[in-house]
Amino acid sequence: EVQLVESGGGLVQTGRSMKLSCAASGFTFSNYGMAWVRQAPTKGLEWVATISYDGSSTYYRDSVKGRLTISRDNAKSTLYLQMNSLRSEDTATYYCTREVRRYTTDYYYYFDYWGQGVMVTVSS
Amino acid sequence: DVVLTQTPPTLSATIGQSVSISCRSSQSLLDSDGDTYLNWLLQRPGQSPQLLIYSVSNLESGVPNRFSGSGSETDFTLKISGVEAEDLGVYYCMQVIHAPLTFGSGTKLEIK
Repeated sequence: EVQLVESGGGLVQTGRSMKLSCAASGFTFSNYGMAWVRQAPTKGLEWVATISYDGSSTYYRDSVKGRLTISRDNAKSTLYLQMNSLRSEDTATYYCTREVRRYTTDYYYYFDYWGQGVMVTVSS
Repeated sequence: DVVLTQTPPTLSATIGQSVSISCRSSQSLLDSDGDTYLNWLLQRPGQSPQLLIYSVSNLESGVPNRFSGSGSETDFTLKISGVEAEDLGVYYCMQVIHAPLTFGSGTKLEIK
C-alpha cells in the first residue's frame, strides 16, 4: 500500500526556517518524481515545487523561488521541503504527492497519491 | 499563469441526481503531440485531495464509473451520473502542461 506521511510542521515566526519531511513507503520511491502542494486555510490548492525522480531537476513557483528548496533522499525514501525566510502567506497545509509520467500510445501526467498533509503556521 | 475557471462554485444535489462541473482554461491544454493535460481531483471534508480523472477522461483506478470527464483544449466537464452521499466535497480541475501548474478555484458539492 502506497503511503506518504508528512511531518515537521508547526508554528514558526516570520523570517525563520522550517523543514518538512515526507516519508514514502509501498512503492519504489526512486522511480517517481514528487511534489509539494499547499492549501492556505479555507483556500484552494496551490502547487509549490516538483523534483525529478533522481533529484537532478527541480521546479518552483515564482513566489517561493530562493526561499523554499525541495530535495530528496532516495536511500531513505524521503522527500523534503526546506523553508527559509518564511512569510505569513506561507501559512498553509502542505501536502506531498507522487508524480506519475506514463507513456503508452498517449502521454499521461498526473499526481496519484497524496499525504495527509502537515500544517505550517507563520506568525510574528 | 494559466487560470482555470470552475463553475458553478457551489452545487447542491439530491442522491441519484446527475450533475456537471465546468472548467475553462485561459490557455489551451493541448500539446503539439495531441495530448491534453487536464486532471480532476476531489477533496472530501477534512481529507487530502484524491485523483479522480487524468488526461481529460481517464478514470483513475478504484474510482467509480459514475464519474466521467470530457472536453478539449480549453473547455472541460466533469460529470457525476447519479450522485451518492460519499461524493460530497470540493472538486478541483488541475492543468499540468504549463508552468506553474495551476488548479481551479474549486466547486463545492453539497448533498440536499
